[in-house]
Amino acid sequence: DAKTTQPPSMDCAEGRAANLPCNHSTISGNEYVYWYRQIHSQGPQYIIHGLKNNETNEMASLIITEDRKSSTLILPHATLRDTAVYYCIVRVATNTGRRALTFGSGTRLQVQP
Amino acid sequence: NAGVTQTPKFRVLKTGQSMTLLCAQDMNHEYMYWYRQDPGMGLRLIHYSVGEGTTAKGEVPDGYNVSRLKKQNFLLGLESAAPSQTSVYFCASSYEAGGIQETQYFGPGTRLLVL
Repeated sequence: DAKTTQPPSMDCAEGRAANLPCNHSTISGNEYVYWYRQIHSQGPQYIIHGLKNNETNEMASLIITEDRKSSTLILPHATLRDTAVYYCIVRVATNTGRRALTFGSGTRLQVQP
Repeated sequence: NAGVTQTPKFRVLKTGQSMTLLCAQDMNHEYMYWYRQDPGMGLRLIHYSVGEGTTAKGEVPDGYNVSRLKKQNFLLGLESAAPSQTSVYFCASSYEAGGIQETQYFGPGTRLLVL
C-alpha cells in the first residue's frame, strides 16, 4: 500500500469548511484513497473513499488531483463534533492477501467555537 | 442492528493472567479484524479472518491467539498477559461485494490495562 503524508494538526472555525490535505505520491493505478476519522476514545469511522473521480456523500467531499498524487477531504460546515483525528489511507480495494487498513498518524482536527 | 460490539469495555489484568476479548457483528460480514492502538499512535493489525473457521496473522500477532468458530464472532485471547499488551483493542468487520473490498466497520474498543 502506498505511503501517505498528512499534517499532524489543523484548526478550523465552527461553521467553516475544513480542508484536510493528504499526499500519496507513490499511489498505484489500482489503489483507492480512503478517509476514516477517530473521535476521542471511539473506534474509527469510515468517511469516504475514491479512485480518481471526486466523490461526495452526506459527510464530506473528496477531491483527488488529476495525477492522483494528492487529495483533499472537505468537511463543508465543520461542527464541534467533527473534532477528531482524520486518517488518509491508500490501499488496493481487492487483495486476496492482507486486507487490513494501515493507519498512520493522521491529522488532528480541532474545530474551534 | 447493533453493528460491531465488543466485550468487555474495560479490564484490568495482572501479569501472567489470561483473558478473552469477544467481538460480535450482526451484519453478516465475512471479514473480521483485531487491531490494537497504543497512546498517540495509529492502529496496528493483530490478526484477521476472511471467513468462518479461518484466521491469519497481522502485523503484531505475538502473544495473541484468535478463533472464528462462528461467522458473527471473532475472539482474541491473551494466554499470559504482559504489561506491553496494555492498549486499546478494536475489532472491525467488512464484506466484499462484486470483488470490491468494502469499508470496515469498527467496534467501540476494549481498554486493557496489564499491571
